[in-house]
Amino acid sequence: DIQMTQSPSSLSASVGDRVTITCRASQSISNYLNWYQQKSGKAPKVLIYAASSLQSGVPSRFSGSGSGTDFTLTISSLQPEDFAAYYCQQSYTLPSTFGGGTKVEIK
Amino acid sequence: EVQLVESGGGLAQPGGSLRLSCTASGFTFTNYWMTWVRQAPGKGLEWVANMNQDGSEKYYADSVKGRFSISRDNAKNSLYLQMNSLSAEDTAVYFCARDRRVGGSGSYYISDFWGQGTLVTVSS
Repeated sequence: DIQMTQSPSSLSASVGDRVTITCRASQSISNYLNWYQQKSGKAPKVLIYAASSLQSGVPSRFSGSGSGTDFTLTISSLQPEDFAAYYCQQSYTLPSTFGGGTKVEIK
Repeated sequence: EVQLVESGGGLAQPGGSLRLSCTASGFTFTNYWMTWVRQAPGKGLEWVANMNQDGSEKYYADSVKGRFSISRDNAKNSLYLQMNSLSAEDTAVYFCARDRRVGGSGSYYISDFWGQGTLVTVSS
């Protein structure tokens, strides 16, 4: 199975900060990479698919990039509602796999 | 409105079994792959299993292969997860999710709708 490694596992940031989260696959997955946001006690919500395509309804401050094995999720200006956990997921092959997650906390 | 409602969670003994259900509404169930994802307390998401529309394709995470079985009843708009030989490591909230093909060519998939989850606790 493909292993997905996220870093950092947690970070502290302030409102207005630019935040970058990275995700690395154990083998090339082309651009078959999704990003999800999960708020405490809630189900995950998809933000980005195909590494860089914004899901409908997701604010444009979220963006994704990368291909092959290295990917990034960027929040250009962190908003109060963005404090949450973020997960990458490879959809290149089944079984699918998630990264370990990144918790974004208030500084 | 798309809705997914999980049920069947609860306390199970180590080595025991439990069957989870997910009832879907608000969309044509037979058009979609469906997935189970779990989350241990305080931990990250773990993909568990998924299946296609008619049940001819099923995939499992290594951690549950041979112990868990995914199935569906399209007449009842329901997805199931039969869990056997449970251990403490299976303690988690279990989410069901709808998978949807996206992108111009439809070659990408996302889990676009999720239920709120059902808690499974394995303990003696």
